[in-house]
Amino acid sequence: LAKTTQPISMDSYEGQEVNITCSHNNIATNDYITWYQQFPSQGPRFIIQGYKTKVTNEVASLFIPADRKSSTLSLPRVSLSDTAVYYCLVAFNTGGFKTIFGAGTRLFVKA
Amino acid sequence: DAGVIQSPRHEVTEMGQEVTLRCKPISGHNSLFWYRQTMMRGLELLIYFNNNVPIDDSGMPEDRFSAKMPNASFSTLKIQPSEPRDSAVYFCASSWRDDSPLHFGNGTRLTVT
Repeated sequence: LAKTTQPISMDSYEGQEVNITCSHNNIATNDYITWYQQFPSQGPRFIIQGYKTKVTNEVASLFIPADRKSSTLSLPRVSLSDTAVYYCLVAFNTGGFKTIFGAGTRLFVKA
Repeated sequence: DAGVIQSPRHEVTEMGQEVTLRCKPISGHNSLFWYRQTMMRGLELLIYFNNNVPIDDSGMPEDRFSAKMPNASFSTLKIQPSEPRDSAVYFCASSWRDDSPLHFGNGTRLTVT
């Protein structure tokens, strides 16, 4: 089973770029890497998904090296409202894809 | 698009009572997932359905828990009898396919006294 490891928490300041790295050493060929954001009292919200190299959307970038054993979520110019828990996860195929969440990284953005 | 709709938002019940949580997935989504979140254990996958059929229920903690999806627009998670250790936030999520990004509801906060 692909298990993910992320830092428990990170601090940043408004306007800075934040990079959160996740390791997934046992990732399988068919696995995608997905990142979610969760605010208190809300369900997780999809941020970005990728398979390899680099993916960018309007809110974040995802960098995946060639061996795919890790990935880095990059949040450009964070604001106070980016304070949340960020989950890196790998969905693995058990006859259907099973999405398992790890402990997540608690990002705290300061003014 | 109304998103995934869960009801009730809050449920307080006494130990031994039956609890039913409800979920309406996003129209057109073929996969539905039930998760439970607690401080101690984080987000746990309980069960997921694909095209209304349960694919993996290995995360369902005990026989006290059961889930159904009678049609593509409705699912229930039932706990009978409920116990204080079942207190948690229960999330329902749906996706277009089971490997597509998940769309979560706002959860049901269950308190069992």
